[in-house]
Amino acid sequence: GENVEQHPSTLSVQEGDSAVIKCTYSDSASNYFPWYKQELGKRPQLIIDIRSNVGEKKDQRIAVTLNKTAKHFSLHITETQPEDSAVYFCAAIFDYGGATNKLIFGTGTLLAVQP
Amino acid sequence: NAGVTQTPKFRVLKTGQSMTLLCAQDMNHEYMYWYRQDPGMGLRLIHYSVGEGTTAKGEVPDGYNVSRLKKQNFLLGLESAAPSQTSVYFCASRLQGKGPDTQYFGPGTRLTVL
Repeated sequence: GENVEQHPSTLSVQEGDSAVIKCTYSDSASNYFPWYKQELGKRPQLIIDIRSNVGEKKDQRIAVTLNKTAKHFSLHITETQPEDSAVYFCAAIFDYGGATNKLIFGTGTLLAVQP
Repeated sequence: NAGVTQTPKFRVLKTGQSMTLLCAQDMNHEYMYWYRQDPGMGLRLIHYSVGEGTTAKGEVPDGYNVSRLKKQNFLLGLESAAPSQTSVYFCASRLQGKGPDTQYFGPGTRLTVL
């Protein structure tokens, strides 16, 4: 069955340092990998995503890398700031040609950026 | 344009009571989803719908029912609430299209079953 594992479950970094969160997925047919940020008491919000035809994508201080052979993908945040503190979820999806799709989420990483 | 909204925001039930959670979206999205979020377990899909009048089971459908009578609304029902259904419930929607697409989440409903 489809499964996504996420590590670490908690991560504490000093402001200005980098943070890396890693996920592995089980379904080799998965072709879309979004990352969501959830602040305390709020809804998950998409921050970046990557499709299986690319290996890396950047958006300012955030980047995602994908290794399809090893079936893992990672979120990289550089120059962390206190407002980056949140729970981050990775997810994987298999697109059934537009008929339906289901996101399978990782269990989340609580990132704490210490000032 | 309100996006995805959910009512109520909070609810406390006694074991055995029933209730309905309402999700509404004004983005003309075809696909809608109900998730539950529990500590340490991420988001798990309960039921989903790929269009008006259609529903399907997700990962954890037991104890829940859904209906999609109107395209903009997706209802989640608990017929006989149990303490194990204490959770935060999120609705999401997605625009139908070719290939994967972003899911937009509602603000959540915090449900406690005593």
